[in-house]
Amino acid sequence: GQQVQQSPASLVLQEGENAELQCNFSSTATQLQWFYQSPGGSLVSLLSNPSGTKHTGRLTSTTVTKERRSSLHISSSQTTDSGTYLCAIDKLSGSFNKLTFGAGTRLAVCP
Amino acid sequence: DMKVTQMPRYLIKRMGENVLLECGQDMSHETMYWYRQDPGLGLQLIYISYDVDSNSEGDIPKGYRVSRKKREHFSLILDSAKTNQTSVYFCASSLHRANTEVFFGKGTRLTVV
Repeated sequence: GQQVQQSPASLVLQEGENAELQCNFSSTATQLQWFYQSPGGSLVSLLSNPSGTKHTGRLTSTTVTKERRSSLHISSSQTTDSGTYLCAIDKLSGSFNKLTFGAGTRLAVCP
Repeated sequence: DMKVTQMPRYLIKRMGENVLLECGQDMSHETMYWYRQDPGLGLQLIYISYDVDSNSEGDIPKGYRVSRKKREHFSLILDSAKTNQTSVYFCASSLHRANTEVFFGKGTRLTVV
């Protein structure tokens, strides 16, 4: 089954509203990253957060490793936040780690 | 300026032709990756390279091979491209193989007709 599940699949917000994106994973993760993929397709790393809480700008990620879940909170959303948010885990597999991605949450922020 | 560069950005090839996708990084990263992204399937790992001439298959290596002769370059080769290899291909790199942030290139959109 899918090892990384993200919810919701899509989300529509009015500018200024907050967003809460969820990521649940079925394997032990040694690393967890949140990525932003623009409508043009480029992927940008937002946060690397295997455990605890991290902030950067309007983004806050909280990962509870024991419960195998992570969240990404976007405060005061802007139209430029529109795009797809991907969660990826780096799980120990044999002698190396591999990033496994979720299907993403597609966010649309309306003016 | 740390970055992963992919060339070309767009490519159209006929079925049966050979395809070479190039990737470079300027961060002296040990580990490099090739992924493909398809609608509904997300990103899937094709190959990983841990260093020069040290490559391992990912989840979907069939139909692909890779070459890493210099630490900063990682190539993806499709010998006799197939239409089902039409996809967006992403190269990525990380400092080490484990527990380090992964940086992605902007992708190469390959169409095989």
